[in-house]
Parts: sequence; structure tokens; C-alpha cells
Amino acid sequence: GESVGLHLPTLSVQEGDNSIINCAYSNSASDYFIWYKQESGKGPQFIIDIRSNMDKRQGQRVTVLLNKTVKHLSLQIAATQPGDSAVYFCAERGNDMRFGAGTRLTVKP
Amino acid sequence: DTGVSQDPRHKITKRGQNVTFRCDPISEHNRLYWYRQTLGQGPEFLTYFQNEAQLEKSRLLSDRFSAERPKGSFSTLEIQRTEQGDSAMYLCASSRRGQPQHFGDGTRLSIL
Repeated sequence: GESVGLHLPTLSVQEGDNSIINCAYSNSASDYFIWYKQESGKGPQFIIDIRSNMDKRQGQRVTVLLNKTVKHLSLQIAATQPGDSAVYFCAERGNDMRFGAGTRLTVKP
Repeated sequence: DTGVSQDPRHKITKRGQNVTFRCDPISEHNRLYWYRQTLGQGPEFLTYFQNEAQLEKSRLLSDRFSAERPKGSFSTLEIQRTEQGDSAMYLCASSRRGQPQHFGDGTRLSIL
């Protein structure tokens, strides 16, 4: 069946380095993709979104890249800070909104 | 705070009891969603409302689960005859059409 998945379950980076979190999706009909950040005990927090007619979108310290050819989505975080430590989910909207299992980002001081 | 609000934040109950959770969405959002999240997993879609109409239900939503949004504002999710497997975080989200969903902090349900 269709699914959303992440390549790595955990990612550890040094404070100040850039982080890249990857996501693979398989529903070619998905037209909208979102990255969420979830801290312990809280709900997912919207970070950035991208529609399927775009291949790149930038926010404050974050960039999302969409490669529809290989059905791949990535989230780049520039100058990673300790406050960025969390679980990051990608989500795709096809018939409904589907989330991957998440990547836990740990930022080392 | 004008975000999505969920109540209670935690619920502990004995197996077989009924529980009800409430979600108050962002006021101008006409779409409301319920999700379930277990440890180490992403949220799983349960059901979706547009205004007061329940438009979609996941196969995950067994007959013991019922959701309502009677006036198109707040919503309730009821679980009858709770089972151990119902232990999870229940998340509510709201949005406007074409906009990202914004989540509440969830209700954590523990079944004894």
C-alpha cells in the first residue's frame, strides 16, 4: 500500500552544524507535504509545507526540498540549535494525511 | 492562547470504562481532525469533520469509537468499553481549507 517513511530513525548533530532529515513517499498522487516538529509531551508543531508544483521552499533557518522524480522530501535546518532537538515528521496529503514514523534529532552542545 | 485546546491532558481509566475527550479548534478553522499516536510512531488518522459534517472515518475507528462536532465548533471523541490497546495519545488538529493542520497537545489515555 501507499506509505510515508523516513530513512533514518535518529540523527545526532553538533550545535551549529546543518541538519538534513529525509523522507520517502510512495503516493504519486500526493499534492501537499508538511514537516512537523514534536517535542516530548506536546503535539506536532507545523514547521514548513510545500505543494507538489514546487521543488524548494525556504523558511526561517529551514528549507524543504521536494524531488517528485524519486518521491523524496527533505528538511534542512541551518545552524542547528539545542532547541531543535525533537522528533520530526513528514506528512503527505493524498486521500488523507499520512505521517511517517519520525526522526529523532539530537543536538549536541 | 488561540491554539487548539484539548481536555483532559491525561486520562487514566480501568478497562471496560467509557471515556470522552474534548477538542476546541482554532476559532476560524472549519476543519477538525482526530488522530491517534502510539509511542515511537507518527499520528494515525482517525476521522475528519468539515463544519459539523463527519466526512471521513478511518478503518482504525472501530464501532466503540464515536466522534461528534454538533455545532461545527468543538468536537468530542468517545471510546466505549475501553481496551488495553486503546492506550495512546489522542491528538486533535484543525485547519482551513488548503492550509496546514495545527495540532493540540493531545490527551494521553492510559488503560489499567
